[in-house]
Amino acid sequence: DQQVKQNSPSLSVQEGRISILNCDYTNSMFDYFLWYKKYPAEGPTFLISISSIKDKNEDGRFTVFLNKSAKHLSLHIVPSQPGDSAVYFCAASGSSGGSYIPTFGRGTSLIVHP
Amino acid sequence: EAQVTQNPRYLITVTGKKLTVTCSQNMNHEYMSWYRQDPGLGLRQIYYSMNVEVTDKGDVPEGYKVSRKEKRNFPLILESPSPNQTSLYFCASSLSWAGGANYGYTFGSGTRLTVV
Repeated sequence: DQQVKQNSPSLSVQEGRISILNCDYTNSMFDYFLWYKKYPAEGPTFLISISSIKDKNEDGRFTVFLNKSAKHLSLHIVPSQPGDSAVYFCAASGSSGGSYIPTFGRGTSLIVHP
Repeated sequence: EAQVTQNPRYLITVTGKKLTVTCSQNMNHEYMSWYRQDPGLGLRQIYYSMNVEVTDKGDVPEGYKVSRKEKRNFPLILESPSPNQTSLYFCASSLSWAGGANYGYTFGSGTRLTVV
């Protein structure tokens, strides 16, 4: 049973427009959420995170929004650039037996067209 | 340069022949973990270690072993590889076991394993 779901396997966006990647979770014990970006032939790299005490975190062109009541978070990329083309993984974690082992979604492949 | 180093990057082996994928980090991280990535299944955790001599199973531990004798190294051992272990493997580390959430992981570049 997937606790972290990324329901869109892929997303295609024009350069300069906004990219919105969505993630839903089911475990109400999750209280930290992270986004990772992965290029082909490379390991995932940490992009941005948010804790459950916030509803928004911004870092340059990247903003993550958290809606706890809906158990939903989203990553906004504005403006999108061709270099943003990658697979994006959502991850969630929470205290479970004293550890914060993250659970990953299956990823969304973003393609930004020039 | 702070990094997680995995070796080899590519490996083709035959069923039943024991192999080890090495992982080393130079950031003095306490927490290390192994993941496998398969099409449509995302990243699934195999084993993790919260510190030296402390390891535990992740979501898909069957067919794998790990050890953590030193803080920097966390090898993944396949005692008798089978074709269903053909996958892309990632090692990751984090500042602390709680830091997996707060600080984010640093991932290695991956090992593509094919078992025939």
